[in-house]
Amino acid sequence: GAVVSQHPSWVICKSGTSVKIECRSLDFQATTMFWYRQFPKQSLMLMATSNEGSKATYEQGVEKDKFLINHASLTLSTLTVTSAHPEDSSFYICSARPIGGLAGGWETQYFGPGTRLLVL
Amino acid sequence: AQKVTQAQTEISVVEKEDVTLDCVYETRDTTYYLFWYKQPPSGELVFLIRRNSFDEQNEISGRYSWNFQKSTSSFNFTITASQVVDSAVYFCAPDCLNQFYFGTGTSLTVIP
Repeated sequence: GAVVSQHPSWVICKSGTSVKIECRSLDFQATTMFWYRQFPKQSLMLMATSNEGSKATYEQGVEKDKFLINHASLTLSTLTVTSAHPEDSSFYICSARPIGGLAGGWETQYFGPGTRLLVL
Repeated sequence: AQKVTQAQTEISVVEKEDVTLDCVYETRDTTYYLFWYKQPPSGELVFLIRRNSFDEQNEISGRYSWNFQKSTSSFNFTITASQVVDSAVYFCAPDCLNQFYFGTGTSLTVIP
């Protein structure tokens, strides 16, 4: 149980285009999902916290107009990178926290496999 | 947690050696959770262990063990009899106030 999927796993796009990344909790519901970004040989940095039915909370320095987050249901959050540029190339990882907790407890986040974005 | 320090950037060991990865964190919270994750070259995070802040009992799970010292805010992780497949980046991650804070990571290379 507690599987989180991301789609696509890989995306290559031209500069100026928009890219949408989906994060789904497959066997549990999550009111809260998180989006992280990881540059090569660096740690994961939290970009934003996504709550179902409300606006996402962005970390300092993350442009909310560039990284649009929508948490439309208890099992789906999407991250759209608008007008992507080469500097947006990165590894994007989402995580989901189950409602009420699973065997691992309320505090456990479950991570998706990540999406590699390359902007040419 | 506001800061996580993994002082060891890179470690290389020979297969079958034991290796300990260090983690020191800062937090104003009294209740939190501590995690270790492994990230192989594929990028996917692999959950290893989790401890809560009010249970300092150290345990062993297979080849993995950990030493949690709340007084010094340290949460060290040990791999016994390392294997080549253990080569990866390891992240210490305190979970404070509903947010994960990842450490800078330690790249472990196990040489056959």
